[in-house]
Amino acid sequence: QKEVEQDPGPLSVPEGAIVSLNCTYSNSAFQYFMWYRQYSRKGPELLMYTYSSGNKEDGRFTAQVDKSSKYISLFIRDSQPSDSATYLCAMKRPSNTGKLIFGQGTTLQVKP
Amino acid sequence: ETGVTQSPTHLIKTRGQQVTLRCSSQSGHNTVSWYQQALGQGPQFIFQYYREEENGRGNFPPRFSGLQFPNYSSELNVNALELDDSALYLCASSSDLQGVRNEQFFGPGTRLTVL
Repeated sequence: QKEVEQDPGPLSVPEGAIVSLNCTYSNSAFQYFMWYRQYSRKGPELLMYTYSSGNKEDGRFTAQVDKSSKYISLFIRDSQPSDSATYLCAMKRPSNTGKLIFGQGTTLQVKP
Repeated sequence: ETGVTQSPTHLIKTRGQQVTLRCSSQSGHNTVSWYQQALGQGPQFIFQYYREEENGRGNFPPRFSGLQFPNYSSELNVNALELDDSALYLCASSSDLQGVRNEQFFGPGTRLTVL
C-alpha cells in the first residue's frame, strides 16, 4: 500500500466549475501538507502549504486537511482553462530531512 | 531573484552508461533535494544535500550518488544506467533544513531517456 493515494483521473470539467481534488494517506506522522501544480514537461509549482489540520484559502484555491480521517483536499473555484494541469499532493513528517512523499497526481482538464 | 535551474534539459543515454545532471539552487537557498518522476507518477525522493553533506536518502541504490558544492549547486550522478532509470529528474531547493515551512522550489527538470 502506498503511503499517499491520489486518484490519477483524468478529471474533465467545464470552465467556471468548482473542482475538488483529494488525497488519502496512511502515515499519521505527516504534519506538513502541500499541493503542487505541474504543467506538462515542467517542474512542480507550490500552490498551497498547510501545517497540521485546518483550512487555508488563497484566491480561488482552498486547501483542507482532516488529520482524523487522514484526508486532504484542494478546491478550485471558478476554474479556468489555464488551471488545466496535473495536481500533486505532497506530505512531510517533522524531521531534519526535506523528504516529501507525493501522490500520483490528478490530471485536470478545464474545458472552455 | 534567480529560480532553480537544471541542465541539460534532455538527455539520451544507453544502458550501462553513466550520467551527470546539474542543478543550481535558488539564490539564498542552502539545501538541495533530488527527485525522480517516472511518467504518470509523482516524484520520488532520491536524496537531499545540506551544506555539502548528504542528509537523508530515499529507496534508491548506491549507483545514484550526488554532490553539493560550496555555492550550493548540486550534481546527481547515476552509474550503470538501466532502462527503468528513464524519467524526469527534478531538483528542489529550500532555504533551511527544518524550518516551519521548508518550502521546496522545483526546477524544470532533466528528462533522461535510457535506450
